Amino acid sequence: EVQVVESGGGLVQPGGSLRLSCSASGFTFSTYEMFWVRQAPGKGLEYVSSITTNGAYTYYSDSVKGRFTISRDNSKNTLYLQMSSLRVEDTAVYYCVGWPGYWGQGTLVTVSS
Amino acid sequence: QSVLTQPPSASGTPGQRITISCSGSSSNIGGHPVNWYQHLPGTAPKVLIYNSNQRPSGVPDRFSGSKSGTSASLAISGLQSEDEADYYCAVWDDSLNGWVFGGGTKLTVL
Repeated sequence: EVQVVESGGGLVQPGGSLRLSCSASGFTFSTYEMFWVRQAPGKGLEYVSSITTNGAYTYYSDSVKGRFTISRDNSKNTLYLQMSSLRVEDTAVYYCVGWPGYWGQGTLVTVSS
Repeated sequence: QSVLTQPPSASGTPGQRITISCSGSSSNIGGHPVNWYQHLPGTAPKVLIYNSNQRPSGVPDRFSGSKSGTSASLAISGLQSEDEADYYCAVWDDSLNGWVFGGGTKLTVL
């Protein structure tokens, strides 16, 4: 059974940092490009970042470029998203995705003072 | 505002066939395959179509995808009440050097 479980979300002040983790099982993690996708309250799905199978290449949306860093550890079947200089507009549910079809249930990040 | 344009809403009656469009440009749909996702509030999004017209195992053949030029479409035939959800297209964009989602279409089954 495929399982994708995000963790690390929570409440953080503007300008703060947070690291999300995503633990995957039930599929060959090392052969899947991995994504972070978010959904702000009342808004649609938004691409955040992605990483190739061996971690050699990373991609970011313009809205998070320079502030977020995606990484992966294939030995641990784990994906990460290091978020810094967080803004109120980063408030969203963050989904980890084994692209295109293995989605987690999401973890809520709230940026507020 | 997304570079992919979807109608914000669509509706149909049970048994009807509806289509949802996704309009882009040569830097995205015009050169790359499209994925379609179904999202019910509070749940994980589900891939319905990948590579523009491929259905993952377990997705009913009532769902189909197509692409022509810089536009793509998702068709749902034999509409059912459980199809009421938000639908999103997604594709790689060369100009953005990343993926992009359409704004989403809220489907109501009357």
